[in-house]
Amino acid sequence: DIQMTHSPSSLSASAGDRVTIACRASQGIRKSVAWFQQKPGNAPKLLIYETSTLQSGVPSRFSGSGSGTDFTLTISSLQPEDVATYYCQQYHSAPFTFGPGTKVEIK
Amino acid sequence: EVQLLESGGGLVQPGGSLRLSCAASGFTFSRYVMTWVRQAPGKGLEWVSAISSSGGARYYADSVKGRCIISRDNSEKTMFLQLNSLKAEDTAVYYCAKGGVEPTVTAFLFDSWGQGTLLTVSS
Repeated sequence: DIQMTHSPSSLSASAGDRVTIACRASQGIRKSVAWFQQKPGNAPKLLIYETSTLQSGVPSRFSGSGSGTDFTLTISSLQPEDVATYYCQQYHSAPFTFGPGTKVEIK
Repeated sequence: EVQLLESGGGLVQPGGSLRLSCAASGFTFSRYVMTWVRQAPGKGLEWVSAISSSGGARYYADSVKGRCIISRDNSEKTMFLQLNSLKAEDTAVYYCAKGGVEPTVTAFLFDSWGQGTLLTVSS
């Protein structure tokens, strides 16, 4: 099975800061990584897929990069509404594992 | 607009069984992979099971394999998850989500989610 890990597990940043979340796969998964945002009490929302493709309607301050085993989600200018937990997920092969998540807070 | 509505959650005793349903609308249900993902209280997301558009291929996480059956009725635009031999660790919100079209690289990309149904396993 492919394991997904996150770093950091949580972070606190000021509004307007650039925020980067890293995700590592235990084996190569080409570009088959998605990023989800989940706010408390809500279902997950797809932000990015195929490593770097922005889902329709997602603000352009979100971006993704990487390949193989190392992937990154970047928020270019953190906004109060971005407070949430972010998960990476591989959809390369079953089981379609999620990372443990990174909780993002505003200072 | 894609809409997914889960139902069937509730309180079940350990060892019991339950069937969850996911009613879909707003897209051609029979063309898409569908999946279940769960989230235990205060925990992260755990993929549970997925089913191909025809229902001919089914995939399970090790944590539910042998206790779980995923199915779908394309004429009714509904997906199901039968859970048996329930354990306390099955307590979670169960989300259904829409995948992609096979055979593409995004067949198992889950792009739309329902609001979830809560299953509690407790005596």
